[in-house]
Order: sequence, then C-alpha cells, then structure tokens
Amino acid sequence: IAGITQAPTSQILAAGRRMTLRCTQDMRHNAMYWYRQDLGLGLRLIHYSNTAGTTGKGEVPDGYSVSRANTDDFPLTLASAVPSQTSVYFCASGKGGNRNTGELFFGEGSRLTVL
Amino acid sequence: AQSVTQLGSHVSVSEGALVLLRCNYSSSVPPYLFWYVQYPNQGLQLLLKYTSAATLVKGINGFEAEFKKSETSFHLTKPSAHMSDAAEYFCAVSRSGAGSYQLTFGKGTKLSVIP
Repeated sequence: IAGITQAPTSQILAAGRRMTLRCTQDMRHNAMYWYRQDLGLGLRLIHYSNTAGTTGKGEVPDGYSVSRANTDDFPLTLASAVPSQTSVYFCASGKGGNRNTGELFFGEGSRLTVL
Repeated sequence: AQSVTQLGSHVSVSEGALVLLRCNYSSSVPPYLFWYVQYPNQGLQLLLKYTSAATLVKGINGFEAEFKKSETSFHLTKPSAHMSDAAEYFCAVSRSGAGSYQLTFGKGTKLSVIP
C-alpha cells in the first residue's frame, strides 16, 4: 500500500541521548516535511526538503537536523534530546514543484518521550 | 506571512445536528486552503481543499467548506453529525516558499458528537 512509513511508532528516551526518527515514502513525491504536534499548539514545521539533496528550516528547527540523500527517505535526528522535545512527530510528503498545491500526505506519527 | 485562526478549540454537537467549524486566514496572496481530519492515534488525512476553482468545496464524509474572500474565512460544515465524525480538525493555508509549498496549520478544533 502506497504511503508514508514512520519508525519507531513510540519511543522513550533519556535526556542527552541521540535519536533518529525514520521516514520513508513510496509515492515518489519531491517534497517532504517533518512536523511536531503538541497539545494546544497544533502542528509546527520543523524542517522540510523540496527535493532530494536539499533541506530547509521550518518554524521550530532548533535541536533537530535532517538529511535527504534520496527521494524516498527523510530522517529526523535529535542530536541530544531534551524534555521539551517530548512530542508526536509527523512526517509528510507532497508533490512539490509547480504541481504542488500544498496537499500533504501524512505518516501515522512517532510518539517520543524524553525523560 | 500567512496564518490561520480556528475559533474554538473544542466543539460539541448532538448526533444529527449541524456541524460548523470556523477558520479564518490571513494571506498576502490568494491562498490554497485545506481542512484535515485526525482520528485518535492516527496521522492527518485530507478532508477537502480550495485551490481557486469553485468557492464551495465538497469533501469526503459529507463535509463541505465555502471560501469567502471578503470575510477571509473557510468554515467547515456538515448538515448532520455522525458519531464517526468525532475527531480533531485542522484548517491549513498553503504558502509558496523557495520552490515548494508549505502548510501552516491552525491549532485545531476537537469535535465531540453527543449521542
């Protein structure tokens, strides 16, 4: 079934540890995004990638890094996790370029708890 | 900068009653507007979108929304609520940035349906 796969589904992490959230899509979409969802704040964009090999910062990029080595994969890394990074993280993709109207397709989310 | 305001973080309706979820946007250019729905422990899925064609947009599950430029609104309605409509709803506006489009989300409205 075509779509976006995120891993892990859920993770508890000690503060200071490094963590990578994985995201893979099989729709051959050019653009990919990472959002975090927090109660009362909605979804906020962390980082995005318009196409393989390029990345950009969103609204809340501090403490996170991304890479886009190929079209399908867009991992999000927390170099040294802090409790304020406790959140639900969603990966999304879109067609990108001139065909993109902003419609995004979302993964099921990764729930991260930093203690 | 573009932004979205959703009026009411929580709306309760009786089963069979009208559903009205309010969304106002600000945008310096004609926007693309979206409503997404999130069921518990799931990712977001597209409900409907406005992309400068018809101002009355019909979506899935009997929902529709009307784009009103003069009021900068894009309210979501459904004539008769069903128990299965209980979910969180997000309004979003799309903006062009550096070769792609990025969604800015509202903070969400949680819809409860009372039997």
